[in-house]
Amino acid sequence: KNEVEQSPQNLTAQEGEFITINCSYSVGISALHWLQQHPGGGIVSLFMLSSGKKKHGRLIATINIQEKHSSLHITASHPRDSAVYICAVSAWGAQKLVFGQGTRLTINP
Amino acid sequence: GAGVSQSPSNKVTEKGKDVELRCDPISGHTALYWYRQSLGQGLEFLIYFQGNSAPDKSGLPSDRFSAERTGGSVSTLTIQRTQQEDSAVYLCASSLDYIAKNIQYFGAGTRLSVL
Repeated sequence: KNEVEQSPQNLTAQEGEFITINCSYSVGISALHWLQQHPGGGIVSLFMLSSGKKKHGRLIATINIQEKHSSLHITASHPRDSAVYICAVSAWGAQKLVFGQGTRLTINP
Repeated sequence: GAGVSQSPSNKVTEKGKDVELRCDPISGHTALYWYRQSLGQGLEFLIYFQGNSAPDKSGLPSDRFSAERTGGSVSTLTIQRTQQEDSAVYLCASSLDYIAKNIQYFGAGTRLSVL
């Protein structure tokens, strides 16, 4: 079992829908990161969080430390949101990231 | 520069040859990371440099892989006697300080193809 599990692996939705991507982890962490990778493109860091909730535009990330779970939400989704979303954690005492397998999101117009 | 710069962007090599991949981090960033993304696979950690501390090499898959960081800035990842399974996108990232407190900025990657 991977230390970081994402669900779903693939998600297709219509423009305007509310999107939720989930991430569960099994180790104690000092921070959790959400990353975005567009097809053929580089990786961009969306959020880093260790507690609570963060919001940036139409993106919201939440984390529940007790339940070892985080969610990434996209409101009013748009085709340009189509990308792979990756959850990653830095475990306590470690400086490296452990990555989930990613969620491939496709938003159809 | 404005972002993390990696070179070359693409590298095609023959099995058994050595390759060097270069990463130029954001100026002032003390932490530098190398990752690998194989086709259809997720990202995996290779090596981490932080200031003058000994690097964390725990992710290097074999002794054919090595990396150095000169003067606390530019880093080179070297793969000796390349194998076909080394084909992947090699990504470099840097952060202001250690990862738990700072976001990482990724380079565009080097796509390595071993024929």
